[in-house]
Amino acid sequence: AQSVTQLGSHVSVSEGALVLLRCNYSSSVPPYLFWYVQYPNQGLQLLLKYTSAATLVKGINGFEAEFKKSETSFHLTKPSAHMSDAAEYFCVTGGYQKVTFGTGTKLQVIP
Amino acid sequence: NAGVTQTPKFQVLKTGQSMTLQCAQDMNHEYMSWYRQDPGMGLRLIHYSVGAGITDQGEVPNGYNVSRSTTEDFPLRLLSAAPSQTSVYFCASTPGLAEGTGELFFGEGSRLTVL
Repeated sequence: AQSVTQLGSHVSVSEGALVLLRCNYSSSVPPYLFWYVQYPNQGLQLLLKYTSAATLVKGINGFEAEFKKSETSFHLTKPSAHMSDAAEYFCVTGGYQKVTFGTGTKLQVIP
Repeated sequence: NAGVTQTPKFQVLKTGQSMTLQCAQDMNHEYMSWYRQDPGMGLRLIHYSVGAGITDQGEVPNGYNVSRSTTEDFPLRLLSAAPSQTSVYFCASTPGLAEGTGELFFGEGSRLTVL
């Protein structure tokens, strides 16, 4: 069965600092991988998705993620954090019917 | 462009009451699903549907019922509410595999409290 593990339920960064949110996947076949963001009291929206066309995936709001098969990782990064990035981020594997969510990482941005 | 619409946004129930959470999408998506979100647990799949007339159970189906009579609507019924069903519920849809990449489009959520 496919699964994802997010390391760190809470991450704090200073405004302007690098954002790194970690996700490791477990899959016996090339996976579908996604990052979603949830702002307070809202639904989830797609940040980016891995489609196997490229290992470095660029998403919205300056985020990107790199698929590393050797490390079974799909970490999310942003070079410079902004206050508006404060939200909860979910790494998700599967697609269509077999969707599995990570437990989420809450990002706090400190002014 | 409404996308996925959930109603109500907030609901308080007493133990044993029943209710229906409504979900409608206007994107002609084949696949619809219901999730519940609890602190520290991510989102867990309750039920899903791959098309009108077809539904199946997800990870946590007990105490919930669904039906899919049209492509647009996918209501979630709580048969006899329990405090353990206090949660935030999300409806989502996605195009069929032939069209999409599995991206989920979410409603804004329904916060349910069972006393």
